[in-house]
Amino acid sequence: SSDLTQDPAVSVALGQTVKIACRGDTLRNNFATWYQQKPGQAPVLVVYGENNRPSGIPDRFSVSRLGDTASLTIAGARAEDEADYYCHSRHNIENHWLFAGGTKLTVL
Amino acid sequence: QVTLKESGPALVNPRQTLTLTCTFSGFSFNTSGIRVSWIRQPPGKALEWLARIDWDDDKFFSMSLKTRLSISKDTSKNQVVLSMTDMDPVDSATYYCVRAGYFHSIYYDYWGQGIRVTVSS
Repeated sequence: SSDLTQDPAVSVALGQTVKIACRGDTLRNNFATWYQQKPGQAPVLVVYGENNRPSGIPDRFSVSRLGDTASLTIAGARAEDEADYYCHSRHNIENHWLFAGGTKLTVL
Repeated sequence: QVTLKESGPALVNPRQTLTLTCTFSGFSFNTSGIRVSWIRQPPGKALEWLARIDWDDDKFFSMSLKTRLSISKDTSKNQVVLSMTDMDPVDSATYYCVRAGYFHSIYYDYWGQGIRVTVSS
């Protein structure tokens, strides 16, 4: 499938590590980028490329890839990390891109 | 400082054409590698990539919406215009204008605040 899928919801205890997965055949050949969106706000770029973070994004956020799955790992989750997370990648069709359905992260 | 701002109607009648304008600052289409995309998000739903225009006037569209979309740029005004024909209530969403970069993948590093568009008679 050329679609991207994410688990709708994930929870993590404060201070623990959580991995948010994104799955799709296109991820075998393409990197995913990750966005964080808090209620009422525009999304924010969190990680792109192999493991690149924009200025201001802490190194608690990292990514990994294995087969058809890309994962965003948040180490030492904080209350402020509670948000929706979206992965994005290139479609199998050239010059077409898509988002997955997003994962709502709850920090307990 | 990079900023983008969307403008256009907040309310559109069904079957009408939506025209949105993105006015940006802090970068220019005169620079090689500059790209601007449009992304939308229906209330409570996921992000959806719509279209992109590049510094060299290359244009790319969502497969599912390509027959309804057009995109253009005015380099002198630092603007990108997105048009979507035959609007339907399901097209009600917040529409974002974003700057796109590329490093191993396309990424959207700067986002406009978004413009909420409602399709209703």
